[in-house]
Amino acid sequence: EVQLVESGGGLVQPGGSLRLSCAASGFTFSSYDMHWVRQATGKGLEWVSAIGTAGDTYYPGSVKGRFTISRENAKNSLYLQMNSLRAGDTAVYYCARRGVQLDFDLWGRGTLVTVSS
Amino acid sequence: EIVLTQSPATLSLSPGERATLSCRASQSVSSYLAWYQQKPGQAPRLLIYDVSNRATGIPPRFSGSGSGTDFTLTISSLEPEDFAVYYCQQRSNWPPFMYTFGQGTKLEIK
Repeated sequence: EVQLVESGGGLVQPGGSLRLSCAASGFTFSSYDMHWVRQATGKGLEWVSAIGTAGDTYYPGSVKGRFTISRENAKNSLYLQMNSLRAGDTAVYYCARRGVQLDFDLWGRGTLVTVSS
Repeated sequence: EIVLTQSPATLSLSPGERATLSCRASQSVSSYLAWYQQKPGQAPRLLIYDVSNRATGIPPRFSGSGSGTDFTLTISSLEPEDFAVYYCQQRSNWPPFMYTFGQGTKLEIK
């Protein structure tokens, strides 16, 4: 089955760190650009990071310098290292595949990150 | 940064009616405009890419149109399962991999 499964979410204090993982299955993971997208409760979607098949990475200004996306093709896995977390980072974090049409054609179910003291 | 503004925020319609959702960009996004559907507790699902192309498995009652800065998602005859939140999304040509989403339109049963 083609799927993405996120893990690693939880409660963390402001200023803390967390590492999210995304396990891919059912497709050739190494052939796809991968992304993280987040959604605060009751809010819209926000693109968080991207990694190309060559390992090139991209971030919006809101997380640049604090978040690091990486991938391990041998393990069909995507990661998001989040440092210096803030209350505003509280959200469900989705792993998403960028399809051949260059938009997000496969999503995981998400993992909840809560930043609170 | 390109800002996408969706309207209306909430649309109340009955099954069988036609739904028209709007997405306006702060500057031209060329043809790099997509639409997603999200139901409560679920991840978004890609409906339309490159303005008017239906994604795999999307029924023909969903259609997209527009150009430049003004785009529309039309659902020709609403089915009960179509009531959800819809987001438009644009991707940049350069730098690559930069994406922004609209704030969403909630389509609710009247």
